[in-house]
Amino acid sequence: DSGVTQTPKHLITATGQRVTLRCSPRSGDLSVYWYQQSLDQGLQFLIQYYNGEERAKGNILERFSAQQFPDLHSELNLSSLELGDSALYFCASSVGVWDPQHFGDGTRLSIL
Amino acid sequence: QQPVQSPQAVILREGEDAVINCSSSKALYSVHWYRQKHGEAPVFLMILLKGGEQKGHEKISASFNEKKQQSSLYLTASQLSYSGTYFCGTDSGNTPLVFGKGTRLSVIA
Repeated sequence: DSGVTQTPKHLITATGQRVTLRCSPRSGDLSVYWYQQSLDQGLQFLIQYYNGEERAKGNILERFSAQQFPDLHSELNLSSLELGDSALYFCASSVGVWDPQHFGDGTRLSIL
Repeated sequence: QQPVQSPQAVILREGEDAVINCSSSKALYSVHWYRQKHGEAPVFLMILLKGGEQKGHEKISASFNEKKQQSSLYLTASQLSYSGTYFCGTDSGNTPLVFGKGTRLSVIA
């Protein structure tokens, strides 16, 4: 158990819809990362927050947004969903920016 | 820029050794290694900082050659539990980790 909690574990929805993925980092970790992993693909970095502020952005689509709240939990919002958005979305957390990252179990998003 | 991992896949018999390479075109500050078993989340293995440091984790060790911008992961006397996909993540300083596409390792009895 990494200590990182992601909900929901599975999400099935239709094209054009909007969903919110939630992540609670390990106790004491200030940095939260979001990754997208498609079938047989590596980990594509989406966005990073550190202590409530956005720190870095990767290849995140404009239809996607995220935030980190004062209690350090984070949410990833995906809107106007397309079939290609189907993937496993991981959240990870770390103490500092370059410390080991601990991954949650992921949210598997299926777009029908 | 995404680091390049080689080989893409490897099959080993129990007890055999393997080397997984990670190469970057950018100067590196550190290299992180993770293992992801099928259907599970990636798990941190080790971090190597610039300075040619070598680290070990049970029978898994790694080296980092900052001049060549390369890191190698060494798995000795492989066990069935080593099966999974190994990712390297590279840090070029003040930037998020960039992960390679992974190396799929299968250990068979």
